[in-house]
Amino acid sequence: DTGVSQDPRHKITKRGQNVTFRCDPISEHNRLYWYRQTLGQGPEFLTYFQNEAQLEKSRLLSDRFSAERPKGSFSTLEIQRTEQGDSAMYLCASRNQAYNEQFFGPGTRLTVL
Amino acid sequence: GQQVMQIPQYQHVQEGEDFTTYCNSSTTLSNIQWYKQRPGGHPVFLIQLVKSGEVKKQKRLTFQFGEAKKNSSLHITATQTTDVGTYFCAGPLAGGTSYGKLTFGQGTILTVHP
Repeated sequence: DTGVSQDPRHKITKRGQNVTFRCDPISEHNRLYWYRQTLGQGPEFLTYFQNEAQLEKSRLLSDRFSAERPKGSFSTLEIQRTEQGDSAMYLCASRNQAYNEQFFGPGTRLTVL
Repeated sequence: GQQVMQIPQYQHVQEGEDFTTYCNSSTTLSNIQWYKQRPGGHPVFLIQLVKSGEVKKQKRLTFQFGEAKKNSSLHITATQTTDVGTYFCAGPLAGGTSYGKLTFGQGTILTVHP
């Protein structure tokens, strides 16, 4: 499968714990996005990478959230000291620089108890 | 900030009926994209519209981009049960260094009764 992959697909954690998600984009895509989606809403932008550089971060993203893309390939999203309000689907998307179409991964569903 | 609104939020149709969802942006969009998300799935790109007044067709789906590039619509003719899902419009901020980040509407959930 040459699409965007995400791991894990589901994560259940207790409030206050740290969690980390991984995204593997389509190999030739240099642009990578993280979105968060809650029930009944569209995806909400979190952060954007061009190669290994994090070029934009949503003002809605608290300091508990951090993302990396160390070699310009896979990316990780870490949430520290999780809160119940962090429960959501976390989606990763990638695209080729030449086209606007974004390819989404299957998402990681986070449940914070 | 930029807002993208979609109506209706829900649409229930009988198989064979037509369906339309409307999308309005508070600001001019450089382009508008439509995505479909099946229940339990992830958004899948359908189409992009770039030009003012542009109309594109994909089989039973017709997409329009308004003259002012602030609104768009998706029309499905003779719906089928395979059309079930949530349809999102999404647009990047016009100009600036938006890096292509998308602002999504809240989506229209389509159910089709056989």
